[in-house]
Amino acid sequence: GNSVTQMEGPVTLSEEAFLTINCTYTATGYPSLFWYVQYPGEGLQLLLKATKADDKGSNKGFEATYRKETTSFHLEKGSVQVSDSAVYFCALSRSNDYKLSFGAGTTVTVRA
Amino acid sequence: NAGVTQTPKFRVLKTGQSMTLLCAQDMNHEYMYWYRQDPGMGLRLIHYSVGEGTTAKGEVPDGYNVSRLKKQNFLLGLESAAPSQTSVYFCASRSYTGANTEAFFGQGTRLTVV
Repeated sequence: GNSVTQMEGPVTLSEEAFLTINCTYTATGYPSLFWYVQYPGEGLQLLLKATKADDKGSNKGFEATYRKETTSFHLEKGSVQVSDSAVYFCALSRSNDYKLSFGAGTTVTVRA
Repeated sequence: NAGVTQTPKFRVLKTGQSMTLLCAQDMNHEYMYWYRQDPGMGLRLIHYSVGEGTTAKGEVPDGYNVSRLKKQNFLLGLESAAPSQTSVYFCASRSYTGANTEAFFGQGTRLTVV
């Protein structure tokens, strides 16, 4: 079946540091890949997505590239801010499946 | 635009009590989902629905029931609450025009069973 594996947290960074959160997936075919973000006390919201191999999703300074050869979709940001403190979830969806499959989530804390 | 609204936001139950969580969406989405979020385990799918009048089991359905009598509402019931059901519950909805469509989430219901 479909599954998503994320690097375990928590991750603590200083402001302006580089952030990478690893995500790999298992699925047949060509799933769509997503990163969702959950700010404290809120529900999840879409951060970015990519729908085919070599696509790059980007939003709010975050980027992730769909790598079919390594079945990965790592999230990166070059210079984090305190406001980026949140839980980040990698997820996938296949075209013949109604469900979104989520990773375990990675808690990121950015200190001033 | 309210999006996805969950009620209640917080609840404390005693073991054996029952309750219903309500999810309402105003985006005319076909798909709706109930997830639970537990530390270190991410989001686990409890039940989902692909349309009015239809429901299906997810990964962790035991102890829960659902109903979708109206397209905009998806109810999650706990018939006899157990401490293991202490969790944060999230509802989500999605318009299915392809695998790349975004899911919209409610703000969550924090449930404690004592």
